[in-house]
Amino acid sequence: QKEVEQNSGPLSVPEGAIASLNCTYSDRVSQSFFWYRQYSGKSPELIMSIYSNGDKEDGRFTAQLNKASQYVSLLIRDSQPSDSATYLCAVPRGNAGNMLTFGGGTRLMVKP
Amino acid sequence: GAVVSQHPSRVICKSGTSVKIECRSLDFQATTMFWYRQFPKKSLMLMATSNEGSKATYEQGVEKDKFLINHASLTLSTLTVTSAHPEDSSFYICSAPSDNSYNSPLHFGNGTRLTVT
Repeated sequence: QKEVEQNSGPLSVPEGAIASLNCTYSDRVSQSFFWYRQYSGKSPELIMSIYSNGDKEDGRFTAQLNKASQYVSLLIRDSQPSDSATYLCAVPRGNAGNMLTFGGGTRLMVKP
Repeated sequence: GAVVSQHPSRVICKSGTSVKIECRSLDFQATTMFWYRQFPKKSLMLMATSNEGSKATYEQGVEKDKFLINHASLTLSTLTVTSAHPEDSSFYICSAPSDNSYNSPLHFGNGTRLTVT
């Protein structure tokens, strides 16, 4: 089992819809979780971090964490064509808080 | 917010030559920086952890003599790809945590697209 797993997609949603991106991780001791957005040919940029079970909202983005199920998701409300990118889930490796392991990424396509 | 600057953004070199990539933390000090490599349509793979004032820690399968890392100051880490070959062509990205606290998120440089001909 991979340490961090994501559906590669592409996930296609119409403009204005909610995009739901999912990620599962294998290390039960993980305490922090990050979502990055990567446009083609560019480096990743941090969108959200979440550390506690439940939901965390920031503008159109909501991160959801369920440690019991080892599952973290990212919801994008009112999706825009500019949201089209690859979304990477990242989890610290073991007890190394800053050393991140990345999932394979989910490619999101928002169609006008 | 924390800014990480990486240079050059793009480099083309001939097989057998060496290429140096610089990574700077502009508005914060980074005792640790991470170097990642990304092949087309693949995810980021950690190559090594750069430690200020000490030797880098390399991931399994990454040749330390080929990918030389120097972290001589709290704001600069360099990655030198020695005797580059076409299979080294990739997107190299450095990153640093904005502070030394556990769980501090990583901020990435803009990446370096290396093409070895």
